Amino acid sequence: DIVMTQSPSSLAVSAGETVTINCKSSQSLFGSVRQKNYLAWYQQKPGQSPKLLIYLASTRESGVPDRFIGSGSGTDFTLTISSVQAEDLANYYCQQYYDTPYTFGAGTKLELK
Amino acid sequence: QVKLLQSGAALVKPGDSVKMSCKASGYTFTDYIIHWVKQSHGKSLEWIGYINPYSGGTNYNEKFKSKATLTVDKSSSTAYMEFSRLTSEDSAIYYCAKGIGAYWGQGTLVTVSS
Repeated sequence: DIVMTQSPSSLAVSAGETVTINCKSSQSLFGSVRQKNYLAWYQQKPGQSPKLLIYLASTRESGVPDRFIGSGSGTDFTLTISSVQAEDLANYYCQQYYDTPYTFGAGTKLELK
Repeated sequence: QVKLLQSGAALVKPGDSVKMSCKASGYTFTDYIIHWVKQSHGKSLEWIGYINPYSGGTNYNEKFKSKATLTVDKSSSTAYMEFSRLTSEDSAIYYCAKGIGAYWGQGTLVTVSS
């Protein structure tokens, strides 16, 4: 199974700061046929279902604010949230869908400082 | 608009089975794979498997292969997951999701307790 290692596990921020969440996979998520990385980022608020933010490592889902930016390739990926808003306080998960079983990172909890 | 409506919470006894549903609307049901995901309390997400509603073909996480059975009813655009031989470790919220995960159901809480 592909292991997804996410860091940090929690992050305390002030509104307006820029934050970076890292995700490392135990093997490359780059598919040579479509030349894409099969990595997604989700946001989950308490009591809610996960919400897709980013897919194919860097493509923002429709309706997601442009302060959410996904980057990276191969085994190292990053979710950057610029100018954090109070509404961004949530848990964030990366997921690989390169190969089954699809696997998630352990999550990063974004909290207010 | 796309919606996935899951069945309500279930309280079941150890050793029993539970069958939960995920009713899709707002899109052509047979065009997209349905995934099932487990989230234990306060923990991360685990992928259980997926089913192709068009063909009925399935792909299971080995960890859940003897535990979960995925089926669909095309006539009602509903996907089902049956979880068998339940233990306390199976107490969790179970989600269904369409395609790459742009749409999720609201989750079904399963509590296993005697």
